[in-house]
Amino acid sequence: EVQLLESGGGLVEPGGSLRVSCAASGFTFSNYAMSWVRQAPGKGLDWLSSLSDSGGTTYSADSVKGRFTISSDNSKGTLYLQMSSLRAEDTAVYYCVRHSTSWFYFDHWGQGTLVTVSS
Amino acid sequence: QSVLTQPPSVSGAPGQRVTISCTGSSTNIGAGYDVHWYKNLPGTAPQLVIYDNINRPSGVPDRVSGSKSGTSASLAISGLQAEDEADYHCQSYDRSLSGVVFGGGTKLTVL
Repeated sequence: EVQLLESGGGLVEPGGSLRVSCAASGFTFSNYAMSWVRQAPGKGLDWLSSLSDSGGTTYSADSVKGRFTISSDNSKGTLYLQMSSLRAEDTAVYYCVRHSTSWFYFDHWGQGTLVTVSS
Repeated sequence: QSVLTQPPSVSGAPGQRVTISCTGSSTNIGAGYDVHWYKNLPGTAPQLVIYDNINRPSGVPDRVSGSKSGTSASLAISGLQAEDEADYHCQSYDRSLSGVVFGGGTKLTVL
């Protein structure tokens, strides 16, 4: 069974940094592209960043380019999102998602981890 | 606001049929990119319910169907049941943004 388990969320002050993690199991992690998607309170889903199955290529939304960095440790089957220069509008539930083999949709989602940016 | 447009809410009585629309543009749905739908209950992981416009993953009942035409797509749920009450989000790809795009989500209420 595919499982994605996020961790590392919490309260951080504006301008601060935080790294969230996603432990994957139930599939060969290095064979799939992975992404981070967030949902702010009362808002829709928002794609942030993707990492290719080889781990060699990243794609990011303009809203987080230069502030958020996606990476992975294939030996641990873990996906990361390093976030810096955090703003109040970054407050959201952050989901780890697995891309389908076609890449264009997400076939498995984690439960999410809440990040709150506030002083 | 979201690149894809969905109605904020829809509702229907048990047994009825409801549809949720998802409107895009010439750079996403109209450019030929497929539309996918997710069901989301608060506090739970979103679940894929339709992929590639019309296909259902295993475990999704055949009461749920999808369609696409031009720059829009729709999700239809017939024989409404209480378990269908949730938020539904459409998703596609946008070539001008070079990234995945979502709709703002639609809250389905079963009356």
